[in-house]
Amino acid sequence: TQLLEQSPQFLSIQEGENLTVYCNSSSVFSSLQWYRQEPGEGPVLLVTVVTGGEVKKLKRLTFQFGDARKDSSLHITAAQPGDTGLYLCAGGLRSGTYKYIFGTGTRLKVLA
Amino acid sequence: KAGVTQTPRYLIKTRGQQVTLSCSPISGHRSVSWYQQTPGQGLQFLFEYFSETQRNKGNFPGRFSGRQFSNSRSEMNVSTLELGDSALYLCASSLTGGLPKSTDTQYFGPGTRLTVL
Repeated sequence: TQLLEQSPQFLSIQEGENLTVYCNSSSVFSSLQWYRQEPGEGPVLLVTVVTGGEVKKLKRLTFQFGDARKDSSLHITAAQPGDTGLYLCAGGLRSGTYKYIFGTGTRLKVLA
Repeated sequence: KAGVTQTPRYLIKTRGQQVTLSCSPISGHRSVSWYQQTPGQGLQFLFEYFSETQRNKGNFPGRFSGRQFSNSRSEMNVSTLELGDSALYLCASSLTGGLPKSTDTQYFGPGTRLTVL
């Protein structure tokens, strides 16, 4: 069974602080996606990374795909209350058809 | 362009009953995937439909089934409901849903919150 472990599970920080969320697996993924989910809603895609070592920036969010394509990190600079939510990573596996394995999730709360 | 819609948004059933959930994908999207989300297990893949055919299946019992219609709309059915089936059921649509060389983007609906009493 492919597993994607995220850490930390929960994170509560003050506005303005920086944070990093990790997503780790023993499996090699063709792609890695990060989503944010707010209460009562479905996950919303933030970014897709496909190349080992790839770094993508989205305003205050920086995403990195590990060189071996087994892990990823999400770094948020100067967190804001609007960043509060459940962050999910999802690894894309190509075995015939394409399948996504979701991580265990990191629940972030940013306090004003 | 309208997003993925799911109906109903909330549902309460009792053990032993059956339930049907509906998903309307984004116009033009042919792939529909279903996921179950619970606090304990996270987001788990149920199955994927493409052009009315089930193309991928997760590790769920046969009580969970689905189908897709010619207009790409999809339904998911759970028979003989158990307490553990209480969850948020999410539907996601994409253009092609995973041809071997595709990194197609999935767009999720808001989900159906199912409570089994």
